[in-house]
Amino acid sequence: KQEVTQIPAALSVPEGENLVLNCSFTDSAIYNLQWFRQDPGKGLTSLLLIQSSQREQTSGRLNASLDKSSGRSTLYIAASQPGDSATYLCAVNSGGYQKVTFGTGTKLQVIP
Amino acid sequence: GAVVSQHPSRVICKSGTSVKIECRSLDFQATTMFWYRQFPKQSLMLMATSNEGSKATYEQGVEKDKFLINHASLTLSTLTVTSAHPEDSSFYICSARGDRGGDGYTFGSGTRLTVV
Repeated sequence: KQEVTQIPAALSVPEGENLVLNCSFTDSAIYNLQWFRQDPGKGLTSLLLIQSSQREQTSGRLNASLDKSSGRSTLYIAASQPGDSATYLCAVNSGGYQKVTFGTGTKLQVIP
Repeated sequence: GAVVSQHPSRVICKSGTSVKIECRSLDFQATTMFWYRQFPKQSLMLMATSNEGSKATYEQGVEKDKFLINHASLTLSTLTVTSAHPEDSSFYICSARGDRGGDGYTFGSGTRLTVV
């Protein structure tokens, strides 16, 4: 059974800082991994999708890396802004039925 | 990009009544859709996998008679919470995967259900 863990559970940084969010998973036989952000009371917004054959994906100030062998992914946010404040979730697509397993989330607060 | 529309975004209902939530893929066909439930300050938990034209597959511990899922077309899946009780109050989110292999998942905006 796939288990996904995110560290830290919460993070507070001053505006402008670069930061890294971590995601680890137990079963390395994955199809892809996706990073989402969720604002309070809202649905999920997809940020980056990394296929199992890829090592990283970039979109603007966001960079996600994937190391399947070690069961890890990181989301790097450069020059953080207050608008980045949200909960960030990683989701791993794996298993015979391509189930998505969500991590526990990291709640990010960027202080102006 | 792929868009999933979910309605309603918020609903309040009385105990004992039923509530239907719709999930539509707007610009792609989704043979499979997924329904999640999220409790406060917790991550998403998969409830069931909805397959077009066939019965849904429910996760362990999810009552299929309480959470009725219908996936009647390639663009629409519905979740009906029957005989709702206050403990069913939660945030429900649907998702669908694109129709190309390797696509990621697109999520609806969620439905906040409050049972009073």
